[in-house]
Amino acid sequence: DVVMTQSPLSLPVTLGQPASISCRSSQSLVHTDSETYLHWFQQRPGQSPRRLIFKVSNRDSGVPDRFSGSGSGTDFTLKISRVEAEDVGVYYCMQGTHWPRWTFGQGTKVEIK
Amino acid sequence: EVHLVESGGGLVQPGGSLRLSCEGSGFTFSSYWMSWVRQAPGKGLEWVAIIKQDEGERYFVDSVKGRFTISRDNAKNSVYLQMNSLRVEDTAVYYCARGPRGLVREGIDYWGQGTLVTVSS
Repeated sequence: DVVMTQSPLSLPVTLGQPASISCRSSQSLVHTDSETYLHWFQQRPGQSPRRLIFKVSNRDSGVPDRFSGSGSGTDFTLKISRVEAEDVGVYYCMQGTHWPRWTFGQGTKVEIK
Repeated sequence: EVHLVESGGGLVQPGGSLRLSCEGSGFTFSSYWMSWVRQAPGKGLEWVAIIKQDEGERYFVDSVKGRFTISRDNAKNSVYLQMNSLRVEDTAVYYCARGPRGLVREGIDYWGQGTLVTVSS
């Protein structure tokens, strides 16, 4: 099975400052169709998850442009250019390349200092 | 607007059964894969099961194979998770999640609010 490893697991950030979350996979996430099926989700406290980014770098509708995704192969990053109070929550990466099993990272908790 | 509403959670004893339901609205239900994802208390997300639009394919995480089944009724815009032989470690919030229309690799885009399943004696 593909293992997804996120770091850090806890990320205290000052409002207005950038934040960066790493997600690494145990195998390359490049599919034979040349696409990379790595997605990012946000889960605010007490809420259901919400997808932010699909296929590495594509922002979902309504997602603020301060969120961006990048990476390739086995190393991926979610960046928040300037953290706002509403960004507090847990962020998960998820791979879909190695089907039939979707696997998630452990989650990274973003909190305000 | 896409809505997914789960129901059927509750307290059940180890070895017992429970059936979760999820009704979708705001989209053409029959055009999408549908899935269940769970989250144990204070823990991360774990994909559980998924079913194709025409029920022609079903997949499960290893830990629930042989105990859980997934089905759907496109006429009722609903997907179900039948959970048998429940274990304490199945305790979690179970989320209904919409999969893709096409390649299952594209993953989940919308989630329900979740329903809590507690397995305890």
